[in-house]
Amino acid sequence: EAGVAQSPRYKIIEKRQSVAFWCNPISGHATLYWYQQILGQGPKLLIQFQNNGVVDDSQLPKDRFSAERLKGVDSTLKIQPAKLEDSAVYLCASSRGLADETQYFGPGTRLLVL
Amino acid sequence: LAKTTQPISMDSYEGQEVNITCSHNNIATNDYITWYQQFPSQGPRFIIQGYKTKVTNEVASLFIPADRKSSTLSLPRVSLSDTAVYYCLVGDIPPGIKAAGNKLTFGGGTRVLVKP
Repeated sequence: EAGVAQSPRYKIIEKRQSVAFWCNPISGHATLYWYQQILGQGPKLLIQFQNNGVVDDSQLPKDRFSAERLKGVDSTLKIQPAKLEDSAVYLCASSRGLADETQYFGPGTRLLVL
Repeated sequence: LAKTTQPISMDSYEGQEVNITCSHNNIATNDYITWYQQFPSQGPRFIIQGYKTKVTNEVASLFIPADRKSSTLSLPRVSLSDTAVYYCLVGDIPPGIKAAGNKLTFGGGTRVLVKP
């Protein structure tokens, strides 16, 4: 079974630029999560999808961050415009969404905003 | 959501048993306790989950006392490759119930260093 795929693995941009991250969850997993992990801290949930609907986006800075999961499979997280404090690893995770809520994480995208 | 407290770091040696205790004083009746492991440059990986008493799998054991206000992750005979950050999480939606996913809050984790 293939794991959660993310791209790109690394990205360097200047502040005020835009950036997008892509996630392909494990096949058949209904729930998809985006986390932000700042160096030295635990992951912080940004947004959670159930199929193509948003379940929780209470910690998503909606003035600059957006995410979508068209067709309930792949997902894209966008930052526009980026700030210095957005430098972090962005993790995508997925779970079956039924009786098994174990989350499986991708390798993450490391973003550096200069 | 129940807040968790765990030591910032722990050192151990190869072959020893490592026990990491997590405090969750305001755990709710429906909360489950889950532990994740994270290696550098990787996403967290599920280790074990439990509700009460003891749970054991091929990787670790999880001990939960009757009051459930704390839990201890036990890693038997650690090796250098067990050097990682270990996160204790308390989930407010138990598994086995069809719901919109488990909302888990990660704390700072415990950085375990296994020395030769």
